[in-house]
Amino acid sequence: DAKTTQPTSMDCAEGRAANLPCNHSTISGNEYVYWYRQIHSQGPQYIIHGLKNNETNEMASLIITEDRKSSTLILPHATLRDTAVYYCIVLMNYGGSQGNLIFGKGTKLSVKP
Amino acid sequence: NAGVTQTPKFQVLKTGQSMTLQCAQDMNHNSMYWYRQDPGMGLRLIYYSASEGTTDKGEVPNGYNVSRLNKREFSLRLESAAPSQTSVYFCASSRDSLYEQYFGPGTRLTVT
Repeated sequence: DAKTTQPTSMDCAEGRAANLPCNHSTISGNEYVYWYRQIHSQGPQYIIHGLKNNETNEMASLIITEDRKSSTLILPHATLRDTAVYYCIVLMNYGGSQGNLIFGKGTKLSVKP
Repeated sequence: NAGVTQTPKFQVLKTGQSMTLQCAQDMNHNSMYWYRQDPGMGLRLIYYSASEGTTDKGEVPNGYNVSRLNKREFSLRLESAAPSQTSVYFCASSRDSLYEQYFGPGTRLTVT
């Protein structure tokens, strides 16, 4: 599975958009980009995933560059409850076989009032 | 719908003692996983079960055994606990190995 690089930490003002970048320059054509987050001491929470196209759900948007070497997770209106460590994970999906999540150190997002 | 539940929430063991961590899910998921998380680190996969009746090693399996008891339950056993196994243990499940994983609240284990 491709390795990812994320900033160690970021700050965001409450109510503003939080844009979390992730580099995955060695990603291959059949690898997906997944985002999870972990709020202090809790189990990780799935946010969103995508392959090529931009994706949006009720939690966030995922923007993947055309060359797929990087992506950005966007939380459109960050709240204090979005303070967490955000993990960008690249995962191969191949039919019938296991793709394992490999968690790095992630980005610690602090949302400030 | 409780999702993924884990017991116990906290546990203190002495070196050499054994224990089993329990995990259950009520989402009819096929795949289940055990991770550990050490302070300041990301999660590392210990074992997983892609479907009922199968188990496979993850990144850090040494010192652990698992049992997929049925579709709902996946237990993790420490036969002879060591201080290096002090960690937070998370169980997760997914509809299939290709789908997003849902995590339990964790078990905080201290081995003295």
